[in-house]
Amino acid sequence: AQSVTQLDSHVSVSEGTPVLLRCNYSSSYSPSLFWYVQHPNKGLQLLLKYTSAATLVKGINGFEAEFKKSETSFHLTKPSAHMSDAAEYFCVVSDLFSGGYNKLIFGAGTRLAVHP
Amino acid sequence: DTGVSQDPRHKITKRGQNVTFRCDPISEHNRLYWYRQTLGQGPEFLTYFQNEAQLEKSRLLSDRFSAERPKGSFSTLEIQRTEQGDSAMYLCASSPIGLAGDQYNTGELFFGEGSRLTVL
Repeated sequence: AQSVTQLDSHVSVSEGTPVLLRCNYSSSYSPSLFWYVQHPNKGLQLLLKYTSAATLVKGINGFEAEFKKSETSFHLTKPSAHMSDAAEYFCVVSDLFSGGYNKLIFGAGTRLAVHP
Repeated sequence: DTGVSQDPRHKITKRGQNVTFRCDPISEHNRLYWYRQTLGQGPEFLTYFQNEAQLEKSRLLSDRFSAERPKGSFSTLEIQRTEQGDSAMYLCASSPIGLAGDQYNTGELFFGEGSRLTVL
């Protein structure tokens, strides 16, 4: 069965410093992986997705993630944090043999705080 | 705004009462999903529709829960005889279907802002 583990429940960075949000996944087959962001009182928004093309995926707002099959990881990074990046981030997995795109498995989330 | 809309945004009810949530997906999106998010957790899949057909239900969806999408447009999620454990954010999402089904589905879901249920 597929699952997602987000290694940090809270991450705090200073504005202008790099961001690293860690995610490990477990999937029986080739997974599709996503990062979604949830700002307060806003709907979940897709940041980026990996679907078996390039292993380094670029998303919106300067975020990117690298798929590492040997490490079963899909960490999210950004070179320089902005105050507006403060939000909850979810790593998500789906695979075609366990409900496909119709059933997404979310991690527990990482709350990112950005300080001036 | 042509995104996914949910109503009501907040609902406080007493244990044992029935509640109903409505979701209006993005027009032309064939698929509609319901997820539940409890405090400190990521969303969990409840059910999904393709047009008016309910194609899959999670084991989380007990007999007290029923979802409908009668005309393939908006959907309702009803919870009967609410319990305190039902307190959560109920999220609706929609997505288009690709030309060849899942093979071309990008996997992106468009979420509404959610309906928060508090059962006293």
